Amino acid sequence: GQQVMQIPQYQHVQEGEDFTTYCNSSTTLSNIQWYKQRPGGHPVFLIQLVKSGEVKKQKRLTFQFGEAKKNSSLHITATQTTDVGTYFCAGRNQGGKLIFGQGTELSVKP
Amino acid sequence: NAGVTQTPKFQVLKTGQSMTLQCAQDMNHEYMSWYRQDPGMGLRLIHYSVGAGITDQGEVPNGYNVSRSTTEDFPLRLLSAAPSQTSVYFCASSRTGGFRSSYNSPLHFGNGTRLTVT
Repeated sequence: GQQVMQIPQYQHVQEGEDFTTYCNSSTTLSNIQWYKQRPGGHPVFLIQLVKSGEVKKQKRLTFQFGEAKKNSSLHITATQTTDVGTYFCAGRNQGGKLIFGQGTELSVKP
Repeated sequence: NAGVTQTPKFQVLKTGQSMTLQCAQDMNHEYMSWYRQDPGMGLRLIHYSVGAGITDQGEVPNGYNVSRSTTEDFPLRLLSAAPSQTSVYFCASSRTGGFRSSYNSPLHFGNGTRLTVT
């Protein structure tokens, strides 16, 4: 079946360093969503990308959707301790199912 | 506005026992779903519903049943608990499933139920 692969699984950074997580699908996606889950919490919606090549920004977070709509990335500039958590991408396939990636767990050392 | 409410927060079961995880939303969302979260596996879809009276299987439906008699409620039943069902379970809802639309409503998650089966 369709898979959404997310890398890396873990990322440890020093506060102030940048962070990027990548999401790749085996098939074309109709859209992709990103969620953040704080430790012990539940996933919270961040953003959705729909168009090929789309780029969206939320303060220090930059989200990209690939031209072929098979990959996406989340980049955080100058990480802060408040960025700690697990970031999930979720791709909607052509059949309509929302498939989550495995998540990238970010830890930030002050 | 309560959003998505899950009960219980924690549960310990013995192998073979049955139980129901409750999920209710007060946002009049059409779409509701159940996910399980295991380390390194992300969120895997168990069952989902696009409206009252309609349910369908997700990626990992075996061992679980659901029903959707009202728009608000979407309980998940474990028929005969097994240690492999030890996990954190999340209920999530959205305004629409929008399967035929390129734009889909974001999911709103409950706080989760941590289930241990011994």
